[in-house]
Amino acid sequence: EPEVTQTPSHQVTQMGQEVILRCVPISNHLYFYWYRQILGQKVEFLVSFYNNEISEKSEIFDDQFSVERPDGSNFTLKIRSTKLEDSAMYFCASTVNRDQPQHFGDGTRLSIL
Amino acid sequence: QKEVEQDPGPLSVPEGAIVSLNCTYSNSAFQYFMWYRQYSRKGPELLMYTYSSGNKEDGRFTAQVDKSSKYISLFIRDSQPSDSATYLCATNRDDKIIFGKGTRLHILP
Repeated sequence: EPEVTQTPSHQVTQMGQEVILRCVPISNHLYFYWYRQILGQKVEFLVSFYNNEISEKSEIFDDQFSVERPDGSNFTLKIRSTKLEDSAMYFCASTVNRDQPQHFGDGTRLSIL
Repeated sequence: QKEVEQDPGPLSVPEGAIVSLNCTYSNSAFQYFMWYRQYSRKGPELLMYTYSSGNKEDGRFTAQVDKSSKYISLFIRDSQPSDSATYLCATNRDDKIIFGKGTRLHILP
């Protein structure tokens, strides 16, 4: 069964550094998402992306965050200047259309030191 | 009021028992309801997806939605130790998923 893949599985970064998290969505999917889960808390929506632009973003997704689909297969989340509170699991998801369920990758654990 | 509420547990039941997991939601405009299973250090894995009131069955799993009372349930029959995980109920607003905090389930062999 096709799946969403994310790399790296664990990223350790110094505070203030830039980090890029990578995702390969399921190949025929058109809608892409990032969510995050701080340890012990619920999974929270960050951003949705369709047709090469952001459809919706949460209040968490401030100017330090950006997303990109640089080619036909990858979908990336960049954090420009990381803060301690950015430490979390980051999940990528994709779906073929908005009325279908989203499928999630196994996440990248981001640790900011 | 939180949009999706779940008892976080943990819930411990003996192997073979029927498990009942429950959620409430606040907004009657929510249309789709989902149950995801999440193992430790893994992503949410879709178990059940429904958009109508009533029951939906898939193997040992039954999802139940009662839109009049804004109540969602997941039943697991003949529970197995491999069912031990966190179960997330979820709904959607536009195309983003709103998750509950999850219920940790332990199936005791």
